[in-house]
Amino acid sequence: AQSVSQHNHHVILSEAASLELGCNYSYGGTVNLFWYVQYPGQHLQLLLKYFSGDPLVKGIKGFEAEFIKSKFSFNLRKPSVQWSDTAEYFCAVMSSNTGKLIFGQGTTLQVKP
Amino acid sequence: KAGVTQTPRYLIKTRGQQVTLSCSPISGHRSVSWYQQTPGQGLQFLFEYFSETQRNKGNFPGRFSGRQFSNSRSEMNVSTLELGDSALYLCASSDHRGRGANTEAFFGQGTRLTVV
Repeated sequence: AQSVSQHNHHVILSEAASLELGCNYSYGGTVNLFWYVQYPGQHLQLLLKYFSGDPLVKGIKGFEAEFIKSKFSFNLRKPSVQWSDTAEYFCAVMSSNTGKLIFGQGTTLQVKP
Repeated sequence: KAGVTQTPRYLIKTRGQQVTLSCSPISGHRSVSWYQQTPGQGLQFLFEYFSETQRNKGNFPGRFSGRQFSNSRSEMNVSTLELGDSALYLCASSDHRGRGANTEAFFGQGTRLTVV
């Protein structure tokens, strides 16, 4: 069965600290990979996506993620977080054959000013 | 382009009642998916519709059903509501057309359902 696992449920950082959120997935076929962010009271927004090609993808607001096929991982990184990055972050996998998204459990990031 | 629109934004229902939620996808998108978000279970896939046909279904009881109209708008129905159905229900649209497609899903604001 397809599954997505996020390593951290709750992360607390100070502003300017570096961020790395782990994500591993289990799926035997070709997948598309995503990170979504949900700011308090807002809808899910796409941070970045990986379909194919360069495994290092850059998204909005300075976020990037690296796809490592051999490790079935798609970790999210940001060199220097800001207070406004406080939100919940979701890693997700979509089979290239369907529009179904499988989400990880989510990571709540709290950035202290 | 207008985004994904879900109505209503908030609902309060009593146990045993039924509820219908609506989702209007982005113009041109034919795939609509529904998700349930709860603090305990996170985001769980309910079902996906493409061109009026259910293409995928998650592991939810038969009380949860949906449909899609010819204009791609979708409705989700939950019958015999239980307290545990209280959740944020999210709709996503994409132009995913099938095998080998690379596309992303765009989400609506959600409908917050409270069952009392």
